[in-house]
Amino acid sequence: NAGVMQNPRHLVRRRGQEARLRCSPMKGHSHVYWYRQLPEEGLKFMVYLQKENIIDESGMPKERFSAEFPKEGPSILRIQQVVRGDSAAYFCASSHSGTYNEQFFGPGTRLTVL
Amino acid sequence: KNEVEQSPQNLTAQEGEFITINCSYSVGISALHWLQQHPGGGIVSLFMLSSGKKKHGRLIATINIQEKHSSLHITASHPRDSAVYICAVIVASGGGADGLTFGKGTHLIIQP
Repeated sequence: NAGVMQNPRHLVRRRGQEARLRCSPMKGHSHVYWYRQLPEEGLKFMVYLQKENIIDESGMPKERFSAEFPKEGPSILRIQQVVRGDSAAYFCASSHSGTYNEQFFGPGTRLTVL
Repeated sequence: KNEVEQSPQNLTAQEGEFITINCSYSVGISALHWLQQHPGGGIVSLFMLSSGKKKHGRLIATINIQEKHSSLHITASHPRDSAVYICAVIVASGGGADGLTFGKGTHLIIQP
């Protein structure tokens, strides 16, 4: 019974490149959340998605960041033209049905921008 | 001021001690999570609660909605309990983002 899967676990990009982070929720979960943990800082909410819908993206930077959760396949967090300040751990969580249900976290993707 | 405040920020204790970590919040919430983040970075959900008390093994979590306060207790602490413990809330409908709002975490070290 696999938990939340994220890949890659570590990603290194040069400034200006694109980063794609993938999240496969737990089986039976259709709600996905992305969070970012900057070095020496706490976790911050980025975006909440259901299948094919962005429900709340109030925590997403306005430029260069986008997220999707297609009908088939994993949720993708995409960062275009990465900058050094994007270096962080990005965590995905999933829940069975909505924000009032317990969220289960993936292992995270550690993005390093050179 | 953060919406979610934890205390203490850092805690070092001896093996076997009873540990208490506190969380206070300033917004209306639907539920509160306690999370554990290991030195390797992975996050584990320990509890989600909206009232009363929950117990799992040596861990106990309580919440007082009127006082906007929650505590996480660890009985008979062990070095493997060393981790960062994070309090996170789900803000009540209309009060904020749909995701969790996090405290800064409590760094716990249990010495043998």
